[in-house]
Amino acid sequence: GENVEQHPSTLSVQEGDSAVIKCTYSDSASNYFPWYKQELGKRPQLIIDIRSNVGEKKDQRIAVTLNKTAKHFSLHITETQPEDSAVYFCAGYPNSGGYQKVTFGTGTKLQVIP
Amino acid sequence: DTEVTQTPKHLVMGMTNKKSLKCEQHMGHRAMYWYKQKAKKPPELMFVYSYEKLSINESVPSRFSPECPNSSLLNLHLHALQPEDSALYLCASSQLDRNSYEQYFGPGTRLTVT
Repeated sequence: GENVEQHPSTLSVQEGDSAVIKCTYSDSASNYFPWYKQELGKRPQLIIDIRSNVGEKKDQRIAVTLNKTAKHFSLHITETQPEDSAVYFCAGYPNSGGYQKVTFGTGTKLQVIP
Repeated sequence: DTEVTQTPKHLVMGMTNKKSLKCEQHMGHRAMYWYKQKAKKPPELMFVYSYEKLSINESVPSRFSPECPNSSLLNLHLHALQPEDSALYLCASSQLDRNSYEQYFGPGTRLTVT
């Protein structure tokens, strides 16, 4: 099955700096990679996603890059703000399980220091 | 309506009790999911229903019994739980469409087993 590794597990940045979180996946047939943000006590919410036929996608201060050859993808947050503080999960959709079965990374706790 | 709702928000139950968690969505999604999330961990898939039929059971103990009465509702029946089953139980839904993978999560039920 799919295995998704995520680094770092914790990340502290000063407000206004950039944050980068990286994930690697094992199933070369995976073709969809979402990123979820989960604030304390709340539900995971999709913040950005990327399909395997695209190398980069941006949405305001958030961007995701995908390297299919190396089987890794990254989340980039620029001009970080205190409200970006949360746990971020990457995920992969393994082909063997069908597009319903998502495997989450272990999570990155991001702290933005004002 | 782009929301998944879950009841109750909090549940405390003894090891001999029987209780049920409920989930509802009105987005016309034909896939619904139950996840278990322990503190500081990613959501862990338990069950997937597609077209009201159980399509994935991730080797979950029989003390958890899912039910999908119709395309909008998903229940999780609980019986003879153990203290280690205490967790946040998340429901999610998605379309069954290879062009639309996003899973929408409910707010979760915080379960404590005493």
